[in-house]
Amino acid sequence: QSVLTQPPSVSGAPGQRVTISCTGSSSNIGADYDVHWYQQLPGTAPKLLIYGYNNRPSGVPDRFSGSKSGTSASLAITGLQAEDEADYYCQSYDSSLSGSVVFGGGTKLTVL
Amino acid sequence: QVQLVESGGGVVQPGRSLRLSCAASGFTFSSYAMHWVRQAPGKGLEWVAVISYDGSNKYYADSVKGRFTISRDNSKNTLYLQMSSLTAEDTAVYYCARARRDGYTFDAFDIWGQGTMVTVSS
Repeated sequence: QSVLTQPPSVSGAPGQRVTISCTGSSSNIGADYDVHWYQQLPGTAPKLLIYGYNNRPSGVPDRFSGSKSGTSASLAITGLQAEDEADYYCQSYDSSLSGSVVFGGGTKLTVL
Repeated sequence: QVQLVESGGGVVQPGRSLRLSCAASGFTFSSYAMHWVRQAPGKGLEWVAVISYDGSNKYYADSVKGRFTISRDNSKNTLYLQMSSLTAEDTAVYYCARARRDGYTFDAFDIWGQGTMVTVSS
């Protein structure tokens, strides 16, 4: 059971907007620790998509955006494209654990 | 270019030890904290351990504490993970990853290696 909870799967048609939630608690997201998002294409290493709630590394399209409210964070993808089909993970820090980085369980995005 | 390359994975019997390496290039390795993250087959990402840029601070996930040791050699631009008392639950792809900002131990992971597979099986 992951400390951060994500839906196992989401789907959307090309061109649509989808969101992926990441629910935490008062010891991680609610404590205002940064939330980061990663994209993992099949058979490859994860890639940093969003850092610090809503900052994109160079090269990441602005179709990807992040937000946070209370003890939850969300990743939004607009103008869905076939190449967006991947697994997405949120990550934060949890003060209740011994110096611990925590990940969400991951969400599989299917482009219909 | 900025790159991390893991090595040392393989098949190992339960209870045995294995050491992973992560060779860094293209950036000032000694300025960045480094992490190990693993992914069991068909499963999600699990953080394993972190070492600060100068090696003075190390933190571990509860699942590996007391069995795994993270270390680094800044003169060789190399990160290590010494794994002992291995069990089947340690079977995973092991990635090394760089903390995004120099000097920050806990940060987003902006550079990842390609991963090395560790299989614990008799």
